[in-house]
Amino acid sequence: QQKVQQSPESLTVSEGAMASLNCTFSDGTSDNFRWYRQHSGKGLEMLVSIFSDGEKEEGRFTAHLNRASLHVSLHIREPQPSDSAVYLCAVSSPSSNTDKVVFGTGTRLQVSP
Amino acid sequence: DAGVTQTPRHEVAEKGQTIILKCEPVSGHNDLFWYRQTKIQGLELLSYFRSKSLMEDGGAFKDRFKAEMLNSSFSTLKIQPTEPKDSAVYLCASSFRTVSSYEQYFGPGTRLTVL
Repeated sequence: QQKVQQSPESLTVSEGAMASLNCTFSDGTSDNFRWYRQHSGKGLEMLVSIFSDGEKEEGRFTAHLNRASLHVSLHIREPQPSDSAVYLCAVSSPSSNTDKVVFGTGTRLQVSP
Repeated sequence: DAGVTQTPRHEVAEKGQTIILKCEPVSGHNDLFWYRQTKIQGLELLSYFRSKSLMEDGGAFKDRFKAEMLNSSFSTLKIQPTEPKDSAVYLCASSFRTVSSYEQYFGPGTRLTVL
């Protein structure tokens, strides 16, 4: 069964400094990896979706996938206080015609001015 | 496009009541998911539909939780009977996937409190 783990549990960075979040998964056949952001009391907002090894950039958010290492990371360039939220990693493992998605438990990011 | 709509936003129920949560997915999306979110367990999948067909029914949630999707633009999640441990945020999401792209949107959630 797929296990998705995120680290660190919480992270505090200063405004403008790069923030890096990590996610490891256990199923090497996983083929889609997504990062979401969730502000307190709000729904999930998808930030970036990546299918292939390497990098995928969406604005200030860059996902980096290394499938051999079972690792996907999220880097936030020039984080702002409004980026303070919980960040969730989701991993998909398509099986036949379904899309099995497992979420990590999240990293709480605090960006201080 | 309004995104995923969920109603109500908040629900308070007495133990033993039946409650129905509603979700309208993004038009054109063929996958619909119901999740429960708590601080301790994080996101737990309750049900998953593809093109209105139930693909996953959440295993441990089968006995009191029933999701339905009678048409491509509307889904319900019924909890019957409710228990205090059901207090959580219930999230609905819809998605559209190709071999090289993935689009998914979550609704704002329904916060359920069971007394």
